[in-house]
Amino acid sequence: EGQLVESGGGLVQPGGSLRLSCAASGFTFRYYWMSWVRQAPGKGLEWVANIHEDGNEKHYVDSVKGRFTISRDNAKNSLYLQMDSLRPEDTAVYYCGRGKGRLDYWGQGTLVTVSS
Amino acid sequence: DIQMTQSPSSLSASVGDRVTITCRASQGIGNDLAWYQQKPGKVPKLLLYAASILQSGVPSRFSGSGSGTDFTLTVSSLQPEDVATYYCQNYNSAPPITFGQGTRLEIK
Repeated sequence: EGQLVESGGGLVQPGGSLRLSCAASGFTFRYYWMSWVRQAPGKGLEWVANIHEDGNEKHYVDSVKGRFTISRDNAKNSLYLQMDSLRPEDTAVYYCGRGKGRLDYWGQGTLVTVSS
Repeated sequence: DIQMTQSPSSLSASVGDRVTITCRASQGIGNDLAWYQQKPGKVPKLLLYAASILQSGVPSRFSGSGSGTDFTLTVSSLQPEDVATYYCQNYNSAPPITFGQGTRLEIK
Protein backbone atom coordinates (compact mmCIF):
# COMPACT_ATOMS: atom_id res chain seq x y z
CA GLU A 1 0.00 0.00 0.00
CA GLY A 2 1.52 3.28 -1.07
CA GLN A 3 2.02 6.13 1.34
CA LEU A 4 2.84 9.79 0.80
CA VAL A 5 3.86 12.15 3.60
CA GLU A 6 4.21 15.89 3.00
CA SER A 7 6.21 18.30 5.09
CA GLY A 8 7.55 21.82 4.96
CA GLY A 9 4.42 23.92 5.24
CA GLY A 10 4.11 26.90 7.53
CA LEU A 11 3.57 30.63 7.82
CA VAL A 12 5.50 32.84 5.41
CA GLN A 13 5.32 36.52 4.52
CA PRO A 14 4.26 37.67 1.07
CA GLY A 15 7.24 37.52 -1.27
CA GLY A 16 8.86 34.78 0.76
CA SER A 17 9.83 31.23 -0.13
CA LEU A 18 9.04 27.77 1.11
CA ARG A 19 10.05 24.28 0.04
CA LEU A 20 7.60 21.44 0.40
CA SER A 21 8.68 17.80 0.48
CA CYS A 22 6.75 14.60 -0.10
CA ALA A 23 8.23 11.29 1.02
CA ALA A 24 6.95 8.23 -0.80
CA SER A 25 6.93 4.63 0.38
CA GLY A 26 5.24 1.33 -0.44
CA PHE A 27 5.61 1.59 -4.21
CA THR A 28 8.36 2.02 -6.81
CA PHE A 29 8.53 5.80 -6.84
CA ARG A 30 10.68 6.13 -9.96
CA TYR A 31 7.99 4.42 -12.10
CA TYR A 32 5.35 7.11 -11.57
CA TRP A 33 4.51 10.65 -12.55
CA MET A 34 3.87 12.71 -9.43
CA SER A 35 1.71 15.76 -8.85
CA TRP A 36 0.95 18.59 -6.45
CA VAL A 37 -2.63 19.72 -5.84
CA ARG A 38 -3.73 22.50 -3.49
CA GLN A 39 -6.92 23.47 -1.71
CA ALA A 40 -7.48 26.96 -0.37
CA PRO A 41 -9.45 27.16 2.90
CA GLY A 42 -13.08 26.28 2.23
CA LYS A 43 -12.48 26.01 -1.52
CA GLY A 44 -12.15 23.30 -4.14
CA LEU A 45 -9.19 21.39 -5.52
CA GLU A 46 -6.66 23.02 -7.84
CA TRP A 47 -3.96 21.14 -9.69
CA VAL A 48 -0.58 22.90 -9.32
CA ALA A 49 2.11 20.90 -11.11
CA ASN A 50 3.26 17.48 -12.19
CA ILE A 51 6.56 15.82 -13.13
CA HIS A 52 7.56 12.88 -15.29
CA GLU A 53 9.12 9.73 -13.82
CA ASP A 54 12.63 10.84 -14.79
CA GLY A 55 12.12 14.49 -13.86
CA ASN A 56 12.70 15.78 -17.39
CA GLU A 57 9.12 16.84 -18.16
CA LYS A 58 7.26 19.25 -15.90
CA HIS A 59 3.98 21.12 -16.15
CA TYR A 60 2.46 23.94 -14.11
CA VAL A 61 -0.81 25.78 -13.74
CA ASP A 62 -0.47 29.28 -15.18
CA SER A 63 -0.85 31.02 -11.82
CA VAL A 64 2.40 29.52 -10.48
CA LYS A 65 4.56 29.47 -13.60
CA GLY A 66 7.86 31.21 -12.98
CA ARG A 67 7.37 31.13 -9.20
CA PHE A 68 7.08 27.43 -8.31
CA THR A 69 9.44 24.61 -9.28
CA ILE A 70 8.58 20.94 -9.02
CA SER A 71 11.42 18.42 -8.72
CA ARG A 72 12.11 14.91 -7.52
CA ASP A 73 14.92 12.74 -6.21
CA ASN A 74 14.25 9.14 -7.18
CA ALA A 75 17.15 7.91 -5.06
CA LYS A 76 15.43 9.38 -2.02
CA ASN A 77 11.85 8.54 -3.10
CA SER A 78 11.00 12.19 -2.66
CA LEU A 79 9.05 14.88 -4.45
CA TYR A 80 9.55 18.60 -3.88
CA LEU A 81 7.85 21.91 -4.57
CA GLN A 82 9.99 25.03 -4.32
CA MET A 83 7.67 28.01 -3.90
CA ASP A 84 9.11 31.49 -4.41
CA SER A 85 7.52 34.95 -4.55
CA LEU A 86 4.62 33.66 -2.50
CA ARG A 87 1.34 35.56 -2.54
CA PRO A 88 -1.60 35.54 -0.11
CA GLU A 89 -3.64 33.67 -2.74
CA ASP A 90 -1.18 30.76 -2.50
CA THR A 91 -2.51 30.04 0.99
CA ALA A 92 -3.77 26.47 0.88
CA VAL A 93 -3.29 22.90 1.95
CA TYR A 94 -0.84 21.35 -0.50
CA TYR A 95 -1.21 17.67 -1.33
CA CYS A 96 1.18 15.46 -3.24
CA GLY A 97 -0.38 12.73 -5.31
CA ARG A 98 0.75 9.73 -7.32
CA GLY A 99 0.00 10.05 -11.00
CA LYS A 100 0.01 12.40 -13.96
CA GLY A 101 -3.73 12.91 -14.21
CA ARG A 102 -5.81 10.70 -12.03
CA LEU A 103 -4.26 10.51 -8.59
CA ASP A 104 -4.68 7.21 -6.78
CA TYR A 105 -2.62 7.98 -3.68
CA TRP A 106 -2.69 11.29 -1.80
CA GLY A 107 -0.69 12.54 1.13
CA GLN A 108 -2.34 14.05 4.19
CA GLY A 109 -1.45 17.56 3.06
CA THR A 110 0.63 20.39 4.48
CA LEU A 111 -0.75 23.87 5.18
CA VAL A 112 0.94 26.90 3.66
CA THR A 113 -0.17 30.30 4.97
CA VAL A 114 1.06 33.44 3.24
CA SER A 115 0.38 36.44 5.43
CA SER A 116 2.11 39.42 6.96
CA ASP B 1 -8.21 25.47 -20.83
CA ILE B 2 -11.03 22.98 -20.45
CA GLN B 3 -13.58 24.03 -17.86
CA MET B 4 -15.42 21.45 -15.78
CA THR B 5 -18.87 22.36 -14.47
CA GLN B 6 -20.63 20.21 -11.89
CA SER B 7 -24.28 20.26 -10.97
CA PRO B 8 -25.80 20.62 -8.57
CA SER B 9 -23.42 22.49 -6.28
CA SER B 10 -25.09 20.85 -3.32
CA LEU B 11 -27.83 18.35 -2.68
CA SER B 12 -29.57 16.70 0.18
CA ALA B 13 -31.00 13.19 -0.05
CA SER B 14 -32.28 10.45 2.20
CA VAL B 15 -30.52 7.24 3.12
CA GLY B 16 -31.28 4.66 0.45
CA ASP B 17 -31.93 7.22 -2.27
CA ARG B 18 -30.36 7.06 -5.70
CA VAL B 19 -28.23 10.15 -6.21
CA THR B 20 -26.78 11.50 -9.44
CA ILE B 21 -24.17 14.23 -9.91
CA THR B 22 -23.34 15.55 -13.34
CA CYS B 23 -20.14 17.00 -14.75
CA ARG B 24 -19.86 18.80 -18.05
CA ALA B 25 -16.62 19.58 -19.89
CA SER B 26 -16.33 22.70 -22.02
CA GLN B 27 -14.98 20.54 -24.84
CA GLY B 28 -14.69 16.83 -25.51
CA ILE B 29 -12.32 14.88 -23.28
CA GLY B 30 -13.06 11.34 -24.40
CA ASN B 31 -13.37 9.31 -21.22
CA ASP B 32 -10.41 10.93 -19.42
CA LEU B 33 -12.45 11.77 -16.37
CA ALA B 34 -12.02 10.87 -12.71
CA TRP B 35 -14.27 11.30 -9.68
CA TYR B 36 -13.01 11.98 -6.16
CA GLN B 37 -14.71 11.92 -2.78
CA GLN B 38 -13.56 14.24 -0.01
CA LYS B 39 -15.14 13.69 3.38
CA PRO B 40 -15.12 16.64 5.80
CA GLY B 41 -11.61 17.29 7.08
CA LYS B 42 -10.16 14.41 5.10
CA VAL B 43 -7.97 13.81 2.08
CA PRO B 44 -9.54 13.38 -1.37
CA LYS B 45 -10.01 9.78 -2.44
CA LEU B 46 -10.14 8.47 -6.01
CA LEU B 47 -13.50 6.78 -6.69
CA LEU B 48 -13.55 6.20 -10.43
CA TYR B 49 -11.35 6.84 -13.44
CA ALA B 50 -11.74 6.54 -17.20
CA ALA B 51 -15.26 7.78 -16.49
CA SER B 52 -16.59 4.41 -15.37
CA ILE B 53 -13.85 2.23 -13.87
CA LEU B 54 -14.23 1.74 -10.15
CA GLN B 55 -11.03 2.21 -8.16
CA SER B 56 -10.05 -0.83 -6.09
CA GLY B 57 -11.81 -0.95 -2.74
CA VAL B 58 -14.58 1.50 -3.64
CA PRO B 59 -18.10 0.19 -2.90
CA SER B 60 -20.06 -0.98 -5.91
CA ARG B 61 -22.94 1.42 -5.14
CA PHE B 62 -20.78 4.05 -6.85
CA SER B 63 -20.82 4.08 -10.64
CA GLY B 64 -19.89 6.46 -13.42
CA SER B 65 -20.86 6.96 -17.02
CA GLY B 66 -20.43 9.29 -19.94
CA SER B 67 -17.93 10.29 -22.57
CA GLY B 68 -17.08 13.38 -24.56
CA THR B 69 -18.52 16.29 -22.61
CA ASP B 70 -21.18 14.87 -20.31
CA PHE B 71 -20.55 12.60 -17.34
CA THR B 72 -22.44 11.34 -14.33
CA LEU B 73 -21.58 9.91 -10.93
CA THR B 74 -24.33 7.80 -9.40
CA VAL B 75 -24.72 6.47 -5.89
CA SER B 76 -27.29 3.70 -6.16
CA SER B 77 -28.29 3.62 -2.50
CA LEU B 78 -27.06 6.52 -0.39
CA GLN B 79 -25.39 5.63 2.91
CA PRO B 80 -24.59 7.94 5.85
CA GLU B 81 -20.86 7.51 5.22
CA ASP B 82 -21.29 8.98 1.73
CA VAL B 83 -21.62 12.50 3.14
CA ALA B 84 -18.82 14.31 1.34
CA THR B 85 -17.93 16.72 -1.42
CA TYR B 86 -17.48 15.09 -4.81
CA TYR B 87 -15.17 16.44 -7.52
CA CYS B 88 -14.83 15.52 -11.16
CA GLN B 89 -11.45 15.92 -12.83
CA ASN B 90 -10.41 16.19 -16.46
CA TYR B 91 -7.02 14.72 -17.30
CA ASN B 92 -7.36 14.62 -21.07
CA SER B 93 -5.72 17.77 -22.31
CA ALA B 94 -3.31 18.16 -19.46
CA PRO B 95 -1.80 20.52 -18.78
CA PRO B 96 -3.63 21.97 -17.09
CA ILE B 97 -5.52 19.29 -15.25
CA THR B 98 -8.83 20.77 -14.17
CA PHE B 99 -11.32 19.95 -11.45
CA GLY B 100 -14.99 20.73 -11.20
CA GLN B 101 -16.04 23.11 -8.43
CA GLY B 102 -17.39 20.28 -6.28
CA THR B 103 -20.80 18.97 -5.21
CA ARG B 104 -21.60 18.82 -1.52
CA LEU B 105 -23.77 15.81 -0.66
CA GLU B 106 -25.67 15.76 2.61
CA ILE B 107 -28.16 13.45 4.27
CA LYS B 108 -31.69 14.76 4.60
